[in-house]
Amino acid sequence: DVKVTQSSRYLVKRTGEKVFLECVQDMDHENMFWYRQDPGLGLRLIYFSYDVKMKEKGDIPEGYSVSREKKERFSLILESASTNQTSMYLCASSTNTNSRKGSYEQYFGPGTRLTVT
Amino acid sequence: AQTVTQSQPEMSVQEAETVTLSCTYDTSESDYYLFWYKQPPSRQMILVIRQEAYKQQNATENRFSVNFQKAAKSFSLKISDSQLGDAAMYFCAYNGPDRDDKIIFGKGTRLHILP
Repeated sequence: DVKVTQSSRYLVKRTGEKVFLECVQDMDHENMFWYRQDPGLGLRLIYFSYDVKMKEKGDIPEGYSVSREKKERFSLILESASTNQTSMYLCASSTNTNSRKGSYEQYFGPGTRLTVT
Repeated sequence: AQTVTQSQPEMSVQEAETVTLSCTYDTSESDYYLFWYKQPPSRQMILVIRQEAYKQQNATENRFSVNFQKAAKSFSLKISDSQLGDAAMYFCAYNGPDRDDKIIFGKGTRLHILP
């Protein structure tokens, strides 16, 4: 089974702190994604990566950055946390092969509920 | 741009009954993928069912089935014999045909199961 893990289930940080959210997948997936989930807004894509050392901005990248030094690990960084970044953060991964069987299905981690006070 | 719309923010169904969650999408592509994901309270999001647009037959996974209407761009999820464990947020999602296409999620439908 595909496994996507996130470093913390719950995190409380203070305004202005630098925050690191780690995500690791064990299925050799090429693609990795960071979303934030807020009530009534669904999932919004922050950043994604299709390869090591590659990153692309999603729909709401402001205030965030990412790092992908190894294929299995994708980190989300909040350079200076603010209260409006209080949210649930979900990491996901998927394969990049153009196979019709299970194509593009994303596998999700358990999420990190971040509170910024 | 592609969009995914779930018009029902919340629904309730009696245990053992059948419920249908609605989803519509907009795309100019002829080949694409559609998904329903389930997110139980405080638990991991998992894939419930997938449909490939080039297949006319509706996908089925045990008590879960879809009604895929390509011309109408509709992709509803039917849950038969609802169980308490089906209580969750359900997300409809669309993915285009290209390897670089990003998946697009609807805003979700929260399903309550009444005992």
